[in-house]
Amino acid sequence: EIQLVQSGGDVVHPGGSLRLSCVASGFTFHVYTIHWVRQRPGKGLEWVALIRGDKSAAFYAASVEGRFSISRDNTKYSLDLQMNSLRPEDTALYFCVKEAATGWPNLEYWGQGSLVTVS
Amino acid sequence: SSELTQDPAVSVALGQTVRITCQGDSLRRFHASWYQQKPGQAPILVIDDRNNRPSGIPDRMFGSNSGSTASLTITGAQAEDEADYYCNSRDINSNGLLFGGGTRVTVL
Repeated sequence: EIQLVQSGGDVVHPGGSLRLSCVASGFTFHVYTIHWVRQRPGKGLEWVALIRGDKSAAFYAASVEGRFSISRDNTKYSLDLQMNSLRPEDTALYFCVKEAATGWPNLEYWGQGSLVTVS
Repeated sequence: SSELTQDPAVSVALGQTVRITCQGDSLRRFHASWYQQKPGQAPILVIDDRNNRPSGIPDRMFGSNSGSTASLTITGAQAEDEADYYCNSRDINSNGLLFGGGTRVTVL
């Protein structure tokens, strides 16, 4: 069974930092691109970042570029999102998401979400 | 900037057909996928960008594309189809993804 289990959500002051983690199981981790997608309270989905399975590339939404950094450890089947210089508008539920075998934009398996509150 | 536009809400009578649309310039080049999200749950992929349904998705849902518009059609809508639906696609102006604003489907 494919699972993405997230941790790290918390309350943080504006300007602060937080690290979200995601541990995967049930699939060959290094093969797949993983994305972060967030959802502000009561709002829609917003793509945040992606990292390729072989770590060859990482891309970010303009709203987080230069403040967030995505990384992965393929030996540990784990993925992190380092969030710096946090702003109130970064308050959201953050999901780590496995891309489907058919490639992007198909986001096939979603973690349970990590709540980040910047206040 | 790039964006995908969806109608905020639509309603459908039980057993009838509803079509949800997603418009954007990116859709002239890239196809959309569709997600269903129920309250308190993570989204679920219901239609991929090749208009295929993942395993377990009922065949009353299907996708189509025309020009700058992608559509998700639900035929014979059931009570369990009541949810928020989001489209997404690759962004022609960046190396990222776009999401539509979402459409809330109410089954009457």
